[in-house]
This record gives sequence, structure tokens and C-alpha cells, in this order.
Amino acid sequence: LAKTTQPISMDSYEGQEVNITCSHNNIATNDYITWYQQFPSQGPRFIIQGYKTKVTNEVASLFIPADRKSSTLSLPRVSLSDTAVYYCLVVQSGGYQKVTFGIGTKLQVIP
Amino acid sequence: DTEVTQTPKHLVMGMTNKKSLKCEQHMGHRAMYWYKQKAKKPPELMFVYSYEKLSINESVPSRFSPECPNSSLLNLHLHALQPEDSALYLCASSQDLGPRVQPQHFGDGTRLSIL
Repeated sequence: LAKTTQPISMDSYEGQEVNITCSHNNIATNDYITWYQQFPSQGPRFIIQGYKTKVTNEVASLFIPADRKSSTLSLPRVSLSDTAVYYCLVVQSGGYQKVTFGIGTKLQVIP
Repeated sequence: DTEVTQTPKHLVMGMTNKKSLKCEQHMGHRAMYWYKQKAKKPPELMFVYSYEKLSINESVPSRFSPECPNSSLLNLHLHALQPEDSALYLCASSQDLGPRVQPQHFGDGTRLSIL
């Protein structure tokens, strides 16, 4: 499984766009990049998933360059309720889909 | 509110007790998971069930015994636990373990304290 590296913490003011970058240098051909959000005392929540280029949904965008060795989660106009830990995962398709969480990025949104 | 329901939300037990954690989902998912999460750490995978059969056991001590009685239920039986087993235990489900990567849906966990 590809190891992921992401910043331990980030601060942002309300209303700003937040970009969290994750490195996964040894990603394999059949690996997908998945992001989860976790609030205190709750289970993780799926945010977005992609294989290459750009994926967008109602809450976030995911940018993946051609070499796929990194990915960037973009949260538009964050609010205080976006304060959470964000996990970047690399998940192998076509099998057991064993999921390994990295250390995560603690995002603190400031008023 | 989550679509994966875990009970109880909190559990305090002694090292000699036997207790069970329960997890239920009605999304028709055929893969279910147990994770352990210590404070300020990421979740760690413990077990994976696929179509009610154990697919992955991440070398978990035998004092943790999983059970999947049907496609909607997942139990984790606990016996003779140690204080270091105190943690948040998370259950998750996904559509299946097929060729496409499926998002996992998590419950909000059972916070377990071992005295």
C-alpha cells in the first residue's frame, strides 16, 4: 500500500479556500485516492475520491496531477463547521480494498 | 445521523468482563469492517467481513472476537481486555469488495474504557 504524507495541521480564516496536499510517491496503477473528514467523537465521513485529473462534488474538489504522486483536496469558502481532521488515503482497487489511514491534517477554521 | 448504527455509544468494563459491541446497517452493503481508534490517532483496521465471511484479520489479539450473523449485523465480542484496549471502536460498511473502490460508511463508534 502506498504511504501518504500530509501536513499535520493547518489554520484558515472563514470564507477562504483551503487546499490540503497529500503526497503518495509510490502509488500503484490500480490505486485510487480517497479523502475522509472526521469530526471529534464521530466516525470518518467520505468526502471525495479520484483516479486522475480533477473530480468535483458538492463539497470539495480533488486535483490529481498526471504523475499521480500527489493530490490536493480543495475546500471552497470554509466555515467554522469545516474544522475537522482530513485524511488522505490510497486504496487499491480489485481486491480486499484494505484501507490504511495516515496521520491526517487537523484543519482549524478561525472566525 | 449516520446510516451505520453502533451500540452502545459508551461502555465501561473491567478486565474480567465479557461484553459485545454491535453494529447495524440497512444499506444492503455486503462488506463490513471494525476499526480501533486511539485518541488523536488515525483509525486502524482490525477486521473485514465480506458476504458474512471473515476476509481480513489484521493480527488482532484473540480477546477480540468478531461475528457477522447476517448481512446487516456485525458484532465484536470482548473478553479479558487490557487497559490499553481503551479506544473508540468504529464500524463501517461498503457496498462490497468488488473491483471498484467503494466509499466506506462509518458509524460514530463505541467509546470503550477498560478499568
